[in-house]
This record gives sequence, C-alpha cells and structure tokens, in this order.
Amino acid sequence: KQEVTQIPAALSVPEGENLVLNCSFTDSAIYNLQWFRQDPGKGLTSLLLIQSSQREQTSGRLNASLDKSSGRSTLYIAASQPGDSATYLCAPPDSGTYKYIFGTGTRLKVLA
Amino acid sequence: NAGVMQNPRHLVRRRGQEARLRCSPMKGHSHVYWYRQLPEEGLKFMVYLQKENIIDESGMPKERFSAEFPKEGPSILRIQQVVRGDSAAYFCASSPGSFSYEQYFGPGTRLTVT
Repeated sequence: KQEVTQIPAALSVPEGENLVLNCSFTDSAIYNLQWFRQDPGKGLTSLLLIQSSQREQTSGRLNASLDKSSGRSTLYIAASQPGDSATYLCAPPDSGTYKYIFGTGTRLKVLA
Repeated sequence: NAGVMQNPRHLVRRRGQEARLRCSPMKGHSHVYWYRQLPEEGLKFMVYLQKENIIDESGMPKERFSAEFPKEGPSILRIQQVVRGDSAAYFCASSPGSFSYEQYFGPGTRLTVT
C-alpha cells in the first residue's frame, strides 16, 4: 500500500528565497503524481500534474520533478512570496489505481 | 468553466441526525471522488463514482455511509446517524477520466457533529 512522506513538515523562510519541497512514496507503480496547495480552512488547488512518462513539469515559478524508480518527487518554488504561504501536498495514487494517497504535507510560511 | 462546487460549505448536525453533502463536478466531468480529512490528518480516499455507478467504495466505512451519483444532479454523500468522530472536512474531486487524469477538488464541506 502506498505511503507518502513529505519533508520538511514545516518551513519558514524570508521572501525571495528559492525553495525545495520533498516528497517520497513507497510504490512506484503509479500513473501520475499531482501537487496541490491547501490554504487554511480551504480546499485544494491543483498546482502541477506529472504523468509517469514525464520527468518534470513547470508552471510559472513552480517546477516539479518525478523520479519513479527512486520513489521521489520534488517541488521547486522560485523567488518565494508571502502569497505562497500554504500547506503543500503531493499525491501519488495507490499502486495502479486512481486513488490519491496524501501525506500530511509541508506547511510553508514566507515572511515579508 | 465553473470549478467543482460543494454545498453546504459548513454543516452542523447533532449526534444521531443525518448529513447530506452535495458535489457538482466540473462541466464535462463524469468521474467523482470523495475524500475525507480528519483533524490534523491527511486526506483519505472514500469512494469513486461514475454516473449511476459506484466504481470503488473501498474507503467508505461499512455502516452509515453511502454515496450516489445519479444521471441528473449532483453526487451525494450521505451519513446516517452521525457521531462525533464523523466531524471532518469532506472533499469532492472530479475528472474527465480515471487513470492518469488530473483531479480537480472542490472547496469542501466542513461537518461538525455536536
């Protein structure tokens, strides 16, 4: 059964820093992996979807990479801003399925 | 294109009452997933439905919980005889397909059982 670990659990940085959020998962038989952000008391906003055949995806200041063989994905945030403050979640599906498995995420705070 | 809509956003029920949570998927999406987020825990899959069919309910508690996605209208997650442990945020997601498709999440319904 898929298990997801995100490191660090929490991160506080000054505005402008480049950040790396790490996600590891135990089962590499996945079709894709999706990154989300969740603001307190709110729903999930999809950031990036990486298909299993892709190595990375980019959207604006965000870049996500996927290494299925090692069970790792990384979210890179360039030039962080206070508006980036949120919890970031990576979600690979359970092995060979569509059921996303979530960790407890990385809680990011960007200080102005 | 409106996003996934859920209502109500907040729901308070006394123990023993019924809770009905609604989810309208994005236009053109016929696949709906329900997830639950207990306080201080990650989201957990509950059920996957397509129009008029329950495809996978492996994450649903065996009793008191049911889900449907009728031919017309929203998907409904129904919790009968709620207990305090049902207090959580319930999220619905939709997609145009199942495997490898992006899932779009709604804002969630926060259920509080008093």
